[in-house]
Amino acid sequence: DAKTTQPNSMESNEEEPVHLPCNHSTISGTDYIHWYRQLPSQGPEYVIHGLTSNVNNRMASLAIAEDRKSSTLILHRATLRDAAVYYCILRDYLGGGADGLTFGKGTHLIIQP
Amino acid sequence: SAVISQKPSRDICQRGTSLTIQCQVDSQVTMMFWYRQQPGQSLTLIATANQGSEATYESGFVIDKFPISRPNLTFSTLTVSNMSPEDSSIYLCSVSGVGNTGELFFGEGSRLTVL
Repeated sequence: DAKTTQPNSMESNEEEPVHLPCNHSTISGTDYIHWYRQLPSQGPEYVIHGLTSNVNNRMASLAIAEDRKSSTLILHRATLRDAAVYYCILRDYLGGGADGLTFGKGTHLIIQP
Repeated sequence: SAVISQKPSRDICQRGTSLTIQCQVDSQVTMMFWYRQQPGQSLTLIATANQGSEATYESGFVIDKFPISRPNLTFSTLTVSNMSPEDSSIYLCSVSGVGNTGELFFGEGSRLTVL
């Protein structure tokens, strides 16, 4: 699996937007970009995924660079409940969903009240 | 979406014993996975639980240590055998959503402490 690089930690204030970067310079044409987060004492939960175009859902937005070598997860208005470890993961869709995810170290997001 | 229940949620075990963790899903799923999360670390994929056949293990994990069963499309078990303190971790069950790019759903995990 292609590797991703994320900052170890980031800090933001409550009710402000948060931009979480991810570099994936060796991404292949068949890799989807997935984001998961893990709240304290819980299993990871899906946040969003995309291939080439920017994506929005109720939780977040995903901005993908034109060359696909980087992406940014955007939390539009962070709350204390968004404090978690955020993982950026590449998933090859040619695997047909038969492969598990390879987790990196992720970004520990700290939200200050 | 899929709702995943794991049992036990936590346990304290003695060195040399074995513990079986159960994973129950509320719907039939094709792919089930088992992960380990050591203290303060990220998740590591142990194996893919295949229905009706032997599990597929990742590098560094072997069947003798982590035997896995998958008797049907909604249930799987992971056994941690002959435990040592180094096996103290959270073990998580995961299932794949629908489609090639479907998200994975995770259970809450089973926190295992080996004394």
